[in-house]
Amino acid sequence: EDKVVQSPLSLVVHEGDTVTLNCSYEVTNFRSLLWYKQEKKAPTFLFMLTSSGIEKKSGRLSSILDKKELFSILNITATQTGDSAVYLCARGNTGTASKLTFGTGTRLQVTL
Amino acid sequence: NAGVMQNPRHLVRRRGQEARLRCSPMKGHSHVYWYRQLPEEGLKFMVYLQKENIIDESGMPKERFSAEFPKEGPSILRIQQVVRGDSAAYFCASAPGYVGANVLTFGAGSRLTVL
Repeated sequence: EDKVVQSPLSLVVHEGDTVTLNCSYEVTNFRSLLWYKQEKKAPTFLFMLTSSGIEKKSGRLSSILDKKELFSILNITATQTGDSAVYLCARGNTGTASKLTFGTGTRLQVTL
Repeated sequence: NAGVMQNPRHLVRRRGQEARLRCSPMKGHSHVYWYRQLPEEGLKFMVYLQKENIIDESGMPKERFSAEFPKEGPSILRIQQVVRGDSAAYFCASAPGYVGANVLTFGAGSRLTVL
């Protein structure tokens, strides 16, 4: 099985803090690494990473991939209560187009 | 663009009944994926379909579960003789039909509760 491991499992921070979420994966047939945000509904797409060392950024969120060490991080700066969600990491394979293997997620709670 | 539409959003069944979950992919998407999410667990791949074809069903339980994506109409995930362990959120996702398109767009999920 293509394993994806996320850490920490859960995290509680104060509004304004910066958080770093981690995701490690196995290398076999690797094509891409994706991050999704899941509130009490559909997971929504954040980033897709295919190249090592190139940071992707969207507002206060950013992510980077390290294909040598087989991990990715998702950074959120100046956190807000609306960032509270489960953040899912997934890897895409070179085999079946678009089949994703997900980690169990990191549950982030941002408090006032 | 209505996105990926799933229904019903919530479904309650008694043990032994059948559950049918429907998914209409995003406009222009020809690939459909079903994932199951158990409480406090990640999304687990079940099956990948294109129109009238099952491409990969390696995540489907061997018995009681089936999926289809007919030429016309939505994709359907069917669970026969449901048991309590089938209680979960079932997410459908769709993707465009070109190789390398790893980004899936998810529906809001169907939450099945088996009494």
